[in-house]
Amino acid sequence: KQEVTQIPAALSVPEGENLVLNCSFTDSAIYNLQWFRQDPGKGLTSLLLIQSSQREQTSGRLNASLDKSSGRSTLYIAASQPGDSATYLCAVPPGSSNTGKLIFGQGTTLQVKP
Amino acid sequence: GAVVSQHPSRVICKSGTSVKIECRSLDFQATTMFWYRQFPKQSLMLMATSNEGSKATYEQGVEKDKFLINHASLTLSTLTVTSAHPEDSSFYICSARGGGRNQPQHFGDGTRLSIL
Repeated sequence: KQEVTQIPAALSVPEGENLVLNCSFTDSAIYNLQWFRQDPGKGLTSLLLIQSSQREQTSGRLNASLDKSSGRSTLYIAASQPGDSATYLCAVPPGSSNTGKLIFGQGTTLQVKP
Repeated sequence: GAVVSQHPSRVICKSGTSVKIECRSLDFQATTMFWYRQFPKQSLMLMATSNEGSKATYEQGVEKDKFLINHASLTLSTLTVTSAHPEDSSFYICSARGGGRNQPQHFGDGTRLSIL
């Protein structure tokens, strides 16, 4: 059974810092991995999706990497801003097929202080 | 980009009431939508997969008679919490995937359900 773990659970950094959020999964046979952002009391916004054949994806100040063999992904945020404060979730489909179902990690709650 | 609209955003009602939540894909057709539940400070847990034109598929431990799902069109899925009780209070979120298996999931803004 696939399990997704995110470390740390919470993170507080001063504005301008570069930071890394970690995600690990127990079954390396994944179809893809997706990073989301969730603001308090809101739904999820898709940030980056990495296919199993890819090693990384970039969008603006965000860079996500994927190492399937070790069951890990990282989300790198460059030059953090107070507006980046949110909970970041990673998710993978259960199994190696893409049924659309997702298994989520517990999330990392980020606070960027001005 | 793709947008998923969820309504209502918040519901407060008495115990025993049935509550319907709508999930609409606004600019794409979704043959499959998903319903998740999120308790405070916890992650999302998949409840069921909503399939257009057929019965929903429920995850283990989710009561299908309690959580009725209807997916009558390619752009609309509804979740009805029947005879809701305080323990059903939670944040319910729907999602849909755009055309193509490699497309990302798009989520609604969620519905905060509070049963008194």
